[in-house]
Order: sequence, then C-alpha cells, then structure tokens
Amino acid sequence: EDQVTQSPEALRLQEGESSSLNCSYTVSGLRGLFWYRQDPGKGPEFLFTLYSAGEEKEKERLKATLTKKESFLHITAPKPEDSATYLCAVQVKRGYQKVTFGTGTKLQVIP
Amino acid sequence: GAGVSQSPSNKVTEKGKDVELRCDPISGHTALYWYRQSLGQGLEFLIYFQGNSAPDKSGLPSDRFSAERTGGSVSTLTIQRTQQEDSAVYLCASSPRGGGTNLGGSPLHFGNGTRLTVT
Repeated sequence: EDQVTQSPEALRLQEGESSSLNCSYTVSGLRGLFWYRQDPGKGPEFLFTLYSAGEEKEKERLKATLTKKESFLHITAPKPEDSATYLCAVQVKRGYQKVTFGTGTKLQVIP
Repeated sequence: GAGVSQSPSNKVTEKGKDVELRCDPISGHTALYWYRQSLGQGLEFLIYFQGNSAPDKSGLPSDRFSAERTGGSVSTLTIQRTQQEDSAVYLCASSPRGGGTNLGGSPLHFGNGTRLTVT
C-alpha cells in the first residue's frame, strides 16, 4: 500500500529562521511527487512537481528536493506570509493517476 | 480561465437528510477527483473520474455516498441519509490528462471545497 508520511506535524519559526519539512514515501513506481500549500478555508494550491531522484525545484523562498525515499521542502528566511499547511502527495505508475496525500505540516512563522 | 468551482461553499443539514455537492472542473480537464478533509486531518481519497467513468470508487466510505459526472465536465457527489461523521470539507480537483504526460504525473488543481456540517 502506498504511504506518505510528513514531519513534523507542526513547526513554529521566527521570521528569517530557515528550516526544512520532510515527506517520506513508500510506493511502487513513483510517477511524480507534488508539494501543495493550503491556507485556512481554501483548497490546496499547487507548488511543485518532482519526477525523479536528484531533481530540485525552486520558487521564491521555497526549494523542493527529491531522493528515492523522501522529499524535502526547504524554506529560506521565511516570512509570516509563508504560514500555511504544506502537503506532500505522490502519484504512482498504475493504470491511472491515483494521488495519495500526507497529513501535512502546519507552519507558523512569527514576526 | 477559471479555476475549479465548487458549490455550495457551506452546507448545514440535519442528520438523515440527503445532500448534493457540485464540482465544476477546469475546462478541458479530463480527470476529476473528490477528496474529504476532516478537521486537522489529511486528504482522504473518495473517487476518481476519467471522462464520465469512475475507474476507482474505492474511497467511498459507504453505499450512502455516490458520485456522477456528466458530459465529461460537472460532477455531483451525493450523500444520502447524512450522519454526523460525514461532517468535513469535501474537495474537488481536476487534472489535464488521465495518464499524465511523458514527463510523469499531472498535478491536481483544487477548488476551495464545500464545508458540510451535519447537525
């Protein structure tokens, strides 16, 4: 069974304090790994897709990396507006593109 | 163009009543998903559509839950005889292609959900 585990469940950072969120996955045949951001009362907003080990993607203060077993979302010098829940999801190579989500990391950035 | 649209945004219903939740995907997106998100929980997969057919209904919690999609576009999720444990946010997402691209998977694009409260 496909499994996605995110850690930590919650993270509190001071503004400017860089850190990383982890997403560990166990799947047979990864088609893609996605990172989403979710604000309260909103649907998840797509950030990145990673397809193969060694790949990296960047957007503003966020950088996502991928290995064969896990992905990291690095946040450099975060600002309060980066506060949100960050979700990781995997899509597997099976008949159709089923997407399985982790439970997310709730990030709070304190001014 | 417009993103994924869901209606209503909020629904309060009495236990035992039936409810219908609507999802209007991004135009041209052939794949459509329904997920459920309970307070503080992750996204629970319910059902997947490719066009008008549903290859995977494995996430539907019980036979009180059903969904259909017509014209390869709008989808409706119906919950019959609602129970308090059905209270959650129901999220719909669409994706351009059912099989992804040559590079790999296609990301899902979500609506803002319907918050269902069963009293």
